[in-house]
Amino acid sequence: NAGVTQTPKFQVLKTGQSMTLQCAQDMNHEYMSWYRQDPGMGLRLIHYSVGAGITDQGEVPNGYNVSRSTTEDFPLRLLSAAPSQTSVYFCASANRGRTEAFFGQGTRLTVV
Amino acid sequence: AQKITQTQPGMFVQEKEAVTLDCTYDTSDPSYGLFWYKQPSSGEMIFLIYQGSYDQQNATEGRYSLNFQKARKSANLVISASQLGDSAMYFCAMREALIQGAQKLVFGQGTRLTINP
Repeated sequence: NAGVTQTPKFQVLKTGQSMTLQCAQDMNHEYMSWYRQDPGMGLRLIHYSVGAGITDQGEVPNGYNVSRSTTEDFPLRLLSAAPSQTSVYFCASANRGRTEAFFGQGTRLTVV
Repeated sequence: AQKITQTQPGMFVQEKEAVTLDCTYDTSDPSYGLFWYKQPSSGEMIFLIYQGSYDQQNATEGRYSLNFQKARKSANLVISASQLGDSAMYFCAMREALIQGAQKLVFGQGTRLTINP
């Protein structure tokens, strides 16, 4: 029962470095999305995808890229890490006609 | 734009008591959905309960119930017979429609619930 799997769980980057946060789901869900959670706040949408090859921006997309080449995977790329991107990142998936979204365990990213 | 407001940053409750976590929302869409998620100290987001705007009855899931008052735009979470394991952060969220049937969740700031033995 893997559900939504995110790797890594923890990461420390230096300012200016790039990296990719991985997200995979095994539930054949159409919709996948990335959120970030900052202290004292709820989650905010970064990017989302409605299927392989189709992505769109959420409310805080700057500094991040996504692509969706398969149904299962939805990686999030940080192009040039900045301290403002220190956050906990959640990947989520959902299916058409269903209500709840399923979340991964989160990735705690620190940019120094 | 849709907005969720949770006015209780923290709550402390004795074990076995019932607790109500407040959530008010603002939307101009006639069709919407409201969610509650639990985030324990381990960090994962756990879905608890869902209420659709056209649902006639309040949603219930075990010890969780959602007190949905549409005219007042409130969707409070009620936890009956609280347990130590209920200590966590609780988020109220609203579904916002995106392209091609996709949905975005708009979250409130959360309420940290602590259950005392």
